[in-house]
Amino acid sequence: DAGVIQSPRHEVTEMGQEVTLRCKPISGHDYLFWYRQTMMRGLELLIYFNNNVPIDDSGMPEDRFSAKMPNASFSTLKIQPSEPRDSAVYFCASSLTGASTEAFFGQGTRLTVV
Amino acid sequence: AQSVTQPDIHITVSEGASLELRCNYSYGATPYLFWYVQSPGQGLQLLLKYFSGDTLVQGIKGFEAEFKRSQSSFNLRKPSVHWSDAAEYFCACTGRRALTFGSGTRLQVQP
Repeated sequence: DAGVIQSPRHEVTEMGQEVTLRCKPISGHDYLFWYRQTMMRGLELLIYFNNNVPIDDSGMPEDRFSAKMPNASFSTLKIQPSEPRDSAVYFCASSLTGASTEAFFGQGTRLTVV
Repeated sequence: AQSVTQPDIHITVSEGASLELRCNYSYGATPYLFWYVQSPGQGLQLLLKYFSGDTLVQGIKGFEAEFKRSQSSFNLRKPSVHWSDAAEYFCACTGRRALTFGSGTRLQVQP
């Protein structure tokens, strides 16, 4: 398996623009997680899905952020409108059987909002 | 709520020296515990995990960690560090929710 695949690897956008980050989890994994990593706040869980259903979105910072998982092999994290403080590395991860099992991480998307 | 503390932000060791990275967790029951490593510009790779049983767990790349319930700790160790071990190390725990990560410890290895 190719592992968790995220695209794009790097994204530079202007403030106010819409940004969409994409993730393809490992085939057969039932759980998908979105994390954000910044120097100030470290690794934060934004949202996670089980069988394509959002289970916990309490980490989503505000209404400008939304995440979807239309099928078992694809998820998106959208920011609209983007702001400079959204600049961070966004990681997608997936796990096989539960939120309590090990998660496999993608290589991340480095987002810069100018 | 679960939380993880890594008290050392930055550690420098000489190549060949032993290493211990500290991790303390807060959770109401016995958590599941993990150590991940992140190289620059890369995602996180699992080093080892503890779910139950033997409190000393072995991982990849010669790392091990020991779960101590009485101290709420899960420290990572390696007897002899290699230059390629320079990276950032994250301790994480979970119960029923998704992983909660510590703030990380950046390891620098001197020749």
